[in-house]
Amino acid sequence: AQSVAQPEDQVNVAEGNPLTVKCTYSVSGNPYLFWYVQYPNRGLQFLLKYITGDNLVKGSYGFEAEFNKSQTSFHLKKPSALVSDSALYFCAVRDADNFNKFYFGSGTKLNVKP
Amino acid sequence: DGGITQSPKYLFRKEGQNVTLSCEQNLNHDAMYWYRQDPGQGLRLIYYSQIVNDFQKGDIAEGYSVSREKKESFPLTVTSAQKNPTAFYLCASSMRETRLTDTQYFGPGTRLTVL
Repeated sequence: AQSVAQPEDQVNVAEGNPLTVKCTYSVSGNPYLFWYVQYPNRGLQFLLKYITGDNLVKGSYGFEAEFNKSQTSFHLKKPSALVSDSALYFCAVRDADNFNKFYFGSGTKLNVKP
Repeated sequence: DGGITQSPKYLFRKEGQNVTLSCEQNLNHDAMYWYRQDPGQGLRLIYYSQIVNDFQKGDIAEGYSVSREKKESFPLTVTSAQKNPTAFYLCASSMRETRLTDTQYFGPGTRLTVL
């Protein structure tokens, strides 16, 4: 079975500081991992994905994520947070046995304060 | 939100009524999906469709029904059998469900409230 966990319901950072949103995964085969962002009352927007290759994946809006196989983690990072980054972030894994299924974490609310 | 539209944005329903949520995409995507989002629970898959006239149940299909008569459209009906329908509903699509690299693109969502 595939699953992802986001251990933090909320992350608070000051504008200009680096941010990390944590995600750990559990998969039976190769992991196919995604990060999405959701602004209030909106759909999810794709940020980045890891399929294979470099462990550091760069995505939209200056975000990047580090894939760590030994720690089964896929943490989202940004060197310098903006107030406009405040949103709900979801980590997801695609089921390699049933490609139609994506398993989403419970979400982490990021608050960036000026 | 790309080329996926959902309507209405807000929907109010009385208990015992069926309601239909619209989802349309102009991305020429083959696969379409319906998710339900509840606070603190992430997204849960209701139904998905790989091609026209075919669809499969997801993890929480009870009380819901769908149709896929056209490639562009994947409406979701919330029936009176759904015991707790108040939620935010998200439609998504992707190019080809058989490619692991394909990303899902989401619509703006419909917030359904049962009065």
